[in-house]
Amino acid sequence: AQSVTQPDIHITVSEGASLELRCNYSYGATPYLFWYVQSPGQGLQLLLKYFSGDTLVQGIKGFEAEFKRSQSSFNLRKPSVHWSDAAEYFCAVGATGGGNKLTFGTGTQLKVEL
Amino acid sequence: DSGVTQTPKHLITATGQRVTLRCSPRSGDLSVYWYQQSLDQGLQFLIQYYNGEERAKGNILERFSAQQFPDLHSELNLSSLELGDSALYFCASSPLPGTEAFFGQGTRLTVV
Repeated sequence: AQSVTQPDIHITVSEGASLELRCNYSYGATPYLFWYVQSPGQGLQLLLKYFSGDTLVQGIKGFEAEFKRSQSSFNLRKPSVHWSDAAEYFCAVGATGGGNKLTFGTGTQLKVEL
Repeated sequence: DSGVTQTPKHLITATGQRVTLRCSPRSGDLSVYWYQQSLDQGLQFLIQYYNGEERAKGNILERFSAQQFPDLHSELNLSSLELGDSALYFCASSPLPGTEAFFGQGTRLTVV
């Protein structure tokens, strides 16, 4: 069964500092990988996705993520964090095929200090 | 705007009652998912439909049921409600199962 681990429950960074949120997945084949962001009281918004090809993917709001098969990781990065990036971030794994759902990690709450 | 519409946005009801949450997926999306989000349980997958058929089941209670209609909209029925059912319920849709899902704004259910 597929699973996702986000080891950091909370992360605090200063505005302007770089950010890396960790995500490790478990899946038998090449997965589809996603990062979502959720602001308080809102739905989840897709930041970026990896299906195949280039292992470094660019997303919206200046985020990027790198797929590393050897480490079963898909970490999210941003070179300079803005106060508006404070939110909860979810990593998810999925794949096409019968009955495949998206499996989400437990989320990382990002706090940005001004 | 993700293109996924959920109604109602807020719902307050009493214990023991039954409610129906409605979801209209993005145009062209055949797959619909339902998730429950609460403070203590996080984001929990409930059930998935693809083109009207149930495709995957998660941590969905027997008191809960769902269906996807021929026009692809979906409904989640919650019955014999308990205080612990209070949560945000999200619907998401995707073109194919397992690909990127687009989430609605959720229905906040409060059971009193």
